[in-house]
This record gives sequence, C-alpha cells and structure tokens, in this order.
Amino acid sequence: DGGITQSPKYLFRKEGQNVTLSCEQNLNHDAMYWYRQDPGQGLRLIYYSQIVNDFQKGDIAEGYSVSREKKESFPLTVTSAQKNPTAFYLCASSIDLLNEQFFGPGTRLTVL
Amino acid sequence: GENVEQHPSTLSVQEGDSAVIKCTYSDSASNYFPWYKQELGKGPQLIIDIRSNVGEKKDQRIAVTLNKTAKHFSLHITETQPEDSAVYFCAAISNMLTFGGGTRLMVKP
Repeated sequence: DGGITQSPKYLFRKEGQNVTLSCEQNLNHDAMYWYRQDPGQGLRLIYYSQIVNDFQKGDIAEGYSVSREKKESFPLTVTSAQKNPTAFYLCASSIDLLNEQFFGPGTRLTVL
Repeated sequence: GENVEQHPSTLSVQEGDSAVIKCTYSDSASNYFPWYKQELGKGPQLIIDIRSNVGEKKDQRIAVTLNKTAKHFSLHITETQPEDSAVYFCAAISNMLTFGGGTRLMVKP
C-alpha cells in the first residue's frame, strides 16, 4: 500500500527543546518537501530535497533543519531557534520538482 | 520566480449552487496546474489538474479551465454538497510547484 506517512499526528514539546518530525514515503519519489501551515493560512515551504543527500532552503527555513540520508525519509528538526514553532507541519513528495505533490496526513506540533 | 494569486479567500454557497475559485499566475513558462482539497486536520489531496496544452478538463462535478493568454485558471464545482466544504488550493509549476493562498469553501445545507 503506497503512500506517505508522518508521525506522530500530535506532538507536544516544552519551549527550548528541539523536536524531530518524521516523514516516510514508499512511492519511490525523488523529491520531498516540508511545509508549515498556521491556522486559516496557506502553505509555506520550509525545505525541499530533489534527491538523496541534497536539500534546499524554502521561504521560511530559519529555525529548522533537515536531512536526506535515504530516499524514503526526510525528517524535519524544529530547533529552539524557531521563535514560534506551534503549527501544523505537512510533508509531501513528488516524482520530481515538475510534477504533482502527494501530501502526508500532517503533524500538529504544540510547544508549551 | 512564480507567483500565484487565488480569489476569493472565503466562499459561502447554498447546497446545490455552483462555486468558482479563480487563480492567476505570473510565469508564462508554467505548464501544469493542479488543484488540491484540504479537509480539516488533514493533508491536501489532489482533486484535478490541467496541463497547458488543454483549455478545459472535467471530472464529474468539478472542472478546471485555463486561459494561457490571460494567465489565469479556475476551478468550477457544480451541484455543491456539504462534503465539498474544505480549503482549496490552486498551484502552478514552472521550475517547481507554487501554491495559491487557499480558498475556504463553505456549503450551507
């Protein structure tokens, strides 16, 4: 059953702690993406990766970091440098940058 | 880079009426235009798409139209139902996918 998964669905962390969000896909897609969505707002690109061991900053990369050691996995770390980390985080993948993206179910991060 | 504008930001219709969401794009090289539907608390799902060599595409109650000269494209939903209530995003691809700001559609029973 192919798809893109994110875990956990809900995540709570104390202020000042780093937290890593998981994203896995078994669609054999080369490209993967991370978006942030605030209530009632659109999608803002954090980071994207065209291929393994390569990634690029999106529009709001400050306070976030990523890695792409495996084709299937693109974890996002929200660091303590991110001033307002509470948000809904969406991971997506696509065959390449020029095709439609498939989204995961999202992780809602709340920093207390 | 590409810039995609989407209107309206909110749209309320009566069940059974039609709904139209419009988007404009800036990069004339854009050649692929997907539309996504996002239900509350979930990730966006692709519902229909159109490529630049086609002017219109229809899938049951939803249709998309594309005007390359004017650089705008639209989503049309006919006979709206309460389950159509969601946020809809348009997008355009030139060097990569760029999303519009989203439209919250509310269908009143």
